Amino acid sequence: DADVTQTPRNRITKTGKRIMLECSQTKGHDRMYWYRQDPGLGLQLIYYSFDVKDINKGEISDGYSVSRQAQAKFSLSLESAIPNQTALYFCATSDRGGQPQHFGDGTRLSIL
Amino acid sequence: GQNIDQPTEMTATEGAIVQINCTYQTSGFNGLFWYQQHAGEAPTFLSYNVLDGLEEKGRFSSFLSRSKGYSYLLLKELQMKDSASYLCAVRGAGSYQLTFGKGTKLSVIP
Repeated sequence: DADVTQTPRNRITKTGKRIMLECSQTKGHDRMYWYRQDPGLGLQLIYYSFDVKDINKGEISDGYSVSRQAQAKFSLSLESAIPNQTALYFCATSDRGGQPQHFGDGTRLSIL
Repeated sequence: GQNIDQPTEMTATEGAIVQINCTYQTSGFNGLFWYQQHAGEAPTFLSYNVLDGLEEKGRFSSFLSRSKGYSYLLLKELQMKDSASYLCAVRGAGSYQLTFGKGTKLSVIP
């Protein structure tokens, strides 16, 4: 079983819909991250959390929100999806030393 | 802020050696990571440098020069399965966030 599990793996939805992407981990790590990846742009940090009570914005947080429901769970929401949020989304975790980050298999999200 | 540059694409021959360069400008530095990412898959950790010098791990080595803001990843005895994107990522001082470069797509040809 994967240490970092993302659901769903693929999602196609329409503009204006609310979407939730979920991430769970069995690594026992405190730190969790959400990234998006677009062709030619690399990985960009959306939000990160150092523990259940600590949530921080990354470089591209507009249009997104997160919830850290437990140490092992970190969800990303798009309140009203728009087409330019079509991307590959990755969840990652790391321990308190911060290295290295371990990635889930990704969610491919398409917004029509 | 952070700025990370690496070549967009490279091609190399099976069995050969290839060097992928990464230069960075940062407001602080607390380590450099290399990840491998096959198309459509998750990035996987390859190496970590925080001090100057060479770190070797089997066919893969990574070098860091902090004074020059420069790193490279060296892949020896290339195999077809090494065809992937290689991501350079820098961690800023006092931070656990990573800033990623756009990645170098390596194609290994017979």
